[in-house]
Amino acid sequence: QQQVKQSPQSLIVQKGGISIINCAYENTAFDYFPWYQQFPGKGPALLIAIRPDVSEKKEGRFTISFNKSAKQFSLHIMDSQPGDSATYFCAAGGTYKYIFGTGTRLKVLA
Amino acid sequence: GAGVSQSPSNKVTEKGKDVELRCDPISGHTALYWYRQRLGQGLEFLIYFQGNSAPDKSGLPSDRFSAERTGESVSTLTIQRTQQEDSAVYLCASSLTLALNTGELFFGEGSRLTVL
Repeated sequence: QQQVKQSPQSLIVQKGGISIINCAYENTAFDYFPWYQQFPGKGPALLIAIRPDVSEKKEGRFTISFNKSAKQFSLHIMDSQPGDSATYFCAAGGTYKYIFGTGTRLKVLA
Repeated sequence: GAGVSQSPSNKVTEKGKDVELRCDPISGHTALYWYRQRLGQGLEFLIYFQGNSAPDKSGLPSDRFSAERTGESVSTLTIQRTQQEDSAVYLCASSLTLALNTGELFFGEGSRLTVL
C-alpha cells in the first residue's frame, strides 16, 4: 500500500515564527514531491515542489528540504504570517498520480 | 473558463438517491482527476482521465461510483444509491499533461455532498 505520512496534524505558530511540516513516503519510485496549500472553501493550489535530485528548494519564505535516503521531506515556512493560515498537503508521485498526505492545519497567530 | 469549474457547489441528498457531480476542466488540459476529501482528512484519489479514457479506476470505492468524460472536456462523477459514508467534498483537478512530474494539478473548489 502506497502511503505518504504527514505530521503534525495541526500546528499553531506565532507571527514571525517558523512553521515546519514533515512527510515520509514509502515508494522509492516516486520522483516528484509537491506541496499544496488549501484555504477554507477552496481547492488546493500548488505551493512549491521538488525533485529527488536536489536536497533543498527555496521560493521566497517557503523551503522544501528533501532527504532521499530517509525517504522524508519537509516544508519550512519562514517568518510565518497570519495569511499563511491554511491546510497544507504534501504529496508524492509522478507520472499520472499523486499520493497525498493527510494534511496539516496551520494557524499563525497575529 | 479561467479555472476548473465544479457544480453543484453543495448538494444535500437522501440516502439511496443518485447524484451527479460535474467538472469543467481548464480548456486544453488533457488530464482530469477526481479526488474525495472527507472532513479533516487528506485527498483520496478516485479516478483519472487521459482524454476520455480512464486507465486507472482503482480508486473508485465501490461499483456505486462511476465517471465519464466527453473528449477532453466535461466530466461527470455519478454516485448511485448514496450512503452516508459518501458525504465528503469531491474535488476535480486538471493538468495540461498527464505527466504530473512536469505539470501542475489545478483544482476546482469542490462539490460538497451531504447524504442524510
